[in-house]
Amino acid sequence: GAGVSQSPSNKVTEKGKDVELRCDPISGHTALYWYRQSLGQGLEFLIYFQGNSAPDKSGLPSDRFSAERTGGSVSTLTIQRTQQEDSAVYLCASSRDNTDTQYFGPGTRLTVL
Amino acid sequence: AQSVTQLDSHVSVSEGTPVLLRCNYSSSYSPSLFWYVQHPNKGLQLLLKYTSAATLVKGINGFEAEFKKSETSFHLTKPSAHMSDAAEYFCVVNKKGSGGTSYGKLTFGQGTILTVHP
Repeated sequence: GAGVSQSPSNKVTEKGKDVELRCDPISGHTALYWYRQSLGQGLEFLIYFQGNSAPDKSGLPSDRFSAERTGGSVSTLTIQRTQQEDSAVYLCASSRDNTDTQYFGPGTRLTVL
Repeated sequence: AQSVTQLDSHVSVSEGTPVLLRCNYSSSYSPSLFWYVQHPNKGLQLLLKYTSAATLVKGINGFEAEFKKSETSFHLTKPSAHMSDAAEYFCVVNKKGSGGTSYGKLTFGQGTILTVHP
């Protein structure tokens, strides 16, 4: 079946602009996660959604970062007023519930000039 | 709190020789442990996972890992390396919930880049 998909695959933006990154989880998966992969910091957890529960936002690095999940399916990660240190690969993962194995998408490579 | 340390940032082997990628973990709870692989410009793929069953876990592509609680280790091995094994490998830890399953956010090691020479 279809895996986790993310769009765009690459995004180049100018410092100070807002960006939106999209994640389509595997159908039927109730848990959705965002991670960031950067050279200096490795792979870091950002946020996760489980069903209708309040999201765990404990990994968001600043209030410029936010995410929403509409209808329990697609999620959008928004970065406002992008900075050069936001340049990274943003990975999305989903699982059947928050106790199950996480399956990762191919990522969105964000470059902030 | 939980953390994971991959002891080697780079490992280089010849094709056909054994692979050993080392991982130590620290967790306040009985952990769930995973190995993921990432090929260049690709997403993360699950190799294997340990929750609470057998301490020797077999994964895809001939990889296996042994959970050793006394050593807090979860090293990844393969008897014979193949060129296609060249990639970056991540050891990952998670809190284990009831029933031996894991939940919530993952904590990743810094990764080990495996190079395979002909």
